Amino acid sequence: KNQVEQSPQSLIILEGKNCTLQCNYTVSPFSNLRWYKQDTGRGPVSLTIMTFSENTKSNGRYTATLDADTKQSSLHITASQLSDSASYICVVSAPYGGATNKLIFGTGTLLAVQP
Amino acid sequence: DSGVTQTPKHLITATGQRVTLRCSPRSGDLSVYWYQQSLDQGLQFLIQYYNGEERAKGNILERFSAQQFPDLHSELNLSSLELGDSALYFCASSPSGHSYEQYFGPGTRLTVT
Repeated sequence: KNQVEQSPQSLIILEGKNCTLQCNYTVSPFSNLRWYKQDTGRGPVSLTIMTFSENTKSNGRYTATLDADTKQSSLHITASQLSDSASYICVVSAPYGGATNKLIFGTGTLLAVQP
Repeated sequence: DSGVTQTPKHLITATGQRVTLRCSPRSGDLSVYWYQQSLDQGLQFLIQYYNGEERAKGNILERFSAQQFPDLHSELNLSSLELGDSALYFCASSPSGHSYEQYFGPGTRLTVT
């Protein structure tokens, strides 16, 4: 069973609309949770990083929330644009031993914004 | 542009062959991470190097190996290639041994025929 699960797998919305992507994780303990945006065929780009003590973090039209008690996170996209079409990946960082962490990636939500 | 470069962009080779993928981290970054992303799969962590030494190991097959050189660039060697090795291979770098902030390269698409 994947330790980081995302829903929905894919989503189609109209330009200008809002949407919310979900991430549930079972990784414990964890150091931080990140959301990445990955355009097709390109490397992921970090949107937000939250430690377990943070509840919310914003980056422009992107707002991530974290509930460490229920092990859930969401990414809310406001006023979507065509350029938001991409895969959004939830990543949990877990202590690996020593001074390093291991990143555990979800399989992503594929978002398509249509005009 | 993340500042991480990877070469080549595309690679097509036959089963049983060996290939080398190259990664140059951002200027000043000491850590390099390698990931594999198969079709419809999430990114899988393979291995991390920090300042020339192996720091962490993930789901890396024995047929795969990596190293980081004194100038901090890294190479991922894939040998006895199988069809299932076809994937995007990403390199990421970070300033320290912690993976707090990783910057990903554009990836190398490997196709094994």
